[in-house]
This record gives sequence, C-alpha cells and structure tokens, in this order.
Amino acid sequence: QKEVEQNSGPLSVPEGAIASLNCTYSDRGSQSFFWYRQYSGKSPELIMSIYSNGDKEDGRFTAQLNKASQYVSLLIRDSQPSDSATYLCAVNHSGYSTLTFGKGTMLLVSP
Amino acid sequence: GAVVSQHPSRVICKSGTSVKIECRSLDFQATTMFWYRQFPKQSLMLMATSNEGSKATYEQGVEKDKFLINHASLTLSTLTVTSAHPEDSSFYICSARDRLTSTGELFFGEGSRLTVL
Repeated sequence: QKEVEQNSGPLSVPEGAIASLNCTYSDRGSQSFFWYRQYSGKSPELIMSIYSNGDKEDGRFTAQLNKASQYVSLLIRDSQPSDSATYLCAVNHSGYSTLTFGKGTMLLVSP
Repeated sequence: GAVVSQHPSRVICKSGTSVKIECRSLDFQATTMFWYRQFPKQSLMLMATSNEGSKATYEQGVEKDKFLINHASLTLSTLTVTSAHPEDSSFYICSARDRLTSTGELFFGEGSRLTVL
C-alpha cells in the first residue's frame, strides 16, 4: 500500500526564517513528487513539483528529493505570515493514477 | 498552471434533496478527473475517479448510488449528491490532469462547500 507520511505540526517559525517541511513515502516506484499549499477553507494549490534527485528552486521555495532515502522536502526561505497554511506532500507512482497525499503539515509563520 | 473551475462554490440545501456540482477544465482536456471530500481539519479523501465516457471508479466505502458521477466530455465532470443528509455536509473538491502531460500533477478546482440542513 502506498503511503505518504508527514508530520502534522503545527510547525511554527518566525517571519524571515527558513521553514523546512518533510515527507517520506513508501513506494519505491514513485516517479513524481509534488507540494501543494492549502489555505484554510480553500482547495489545494500546486506550488512545486520535482522528478529527479537533488534540489529544485523556484523563488523562495526549494524542493529536495532523495529517492534512495524515499524522502522529499520543501524549504521556504524568508517565511512570511502569508505562507501560513497546510502543506500537502503528494506522490505519483504512474502517470495514470491519482496522487497519494500525505495528511499535511500546518505551518504557522508569526510576525 | 492549468485552470479547473468548480461550481457552485457554496450550496445550502434541505435534507432529502439532490445537489449537482460541476467541474470543468478550462484550458486543457482531462480524460480523468478525481473527486475528493474533506471534512474540517481533516485530510483529503479520494471519493472516486471519473473517466470520460465510462463509469466512475469509487473508493471503498463510497456509495456509488448516492454520489453519482458523470464525465460526459473531456472538459466536464459532475458529481450529484442524491438525497443529501446532514452528514454529507463537507467540502467537495475536484481535480484534473492534463491528458497531454505525463508528469502527473493534478490541478484542483476551487471546491464546493455543501451544507445540508
């Protein structure tokens, strides 16, 4: 059974700090990895995708993937209060199935 | 990113009535769409996979006769909650994948908040 694990949090960081969100997955055949942000009462929004080992940077966001350790992370630099949300890690085993979502980590950025 | 439009965003209905929620991919075609339900402070729960031109595939525990799914075209899927009851009150979210991409990302609609009185 495919599983995606995340710490539920909340993860509290002060404004301007780096927030580090972590995710592990069980299926070694997983090929695509995504981070979604979900504000309270809203639907998830795709913010990062990563497909190969290493780092991928997009603005203040950096996704990191280590397939050997079955680990994917999201770093948010210069955290802002507007980054406060639940971050969902999602994993895709094949291009024709739904994603497996973690339960999400709540991030709180204090001014 | 690709745009998925979901309507209505909020609906309040009386117990026993049926409610239809529409999910449209606006700038891409989706052979597959997914319907999720999310209760307050809980994670996304996949209800069913909607396939264009064929029957939907329901997750275990989801009543197919209660949650009717129709995927009549490559850009439209509908979820009908039949004979709704207060316990069906939830946040329903659809998502879709561009049939021309193989990277697997899903794009979500805005969600529909259903309140059954």
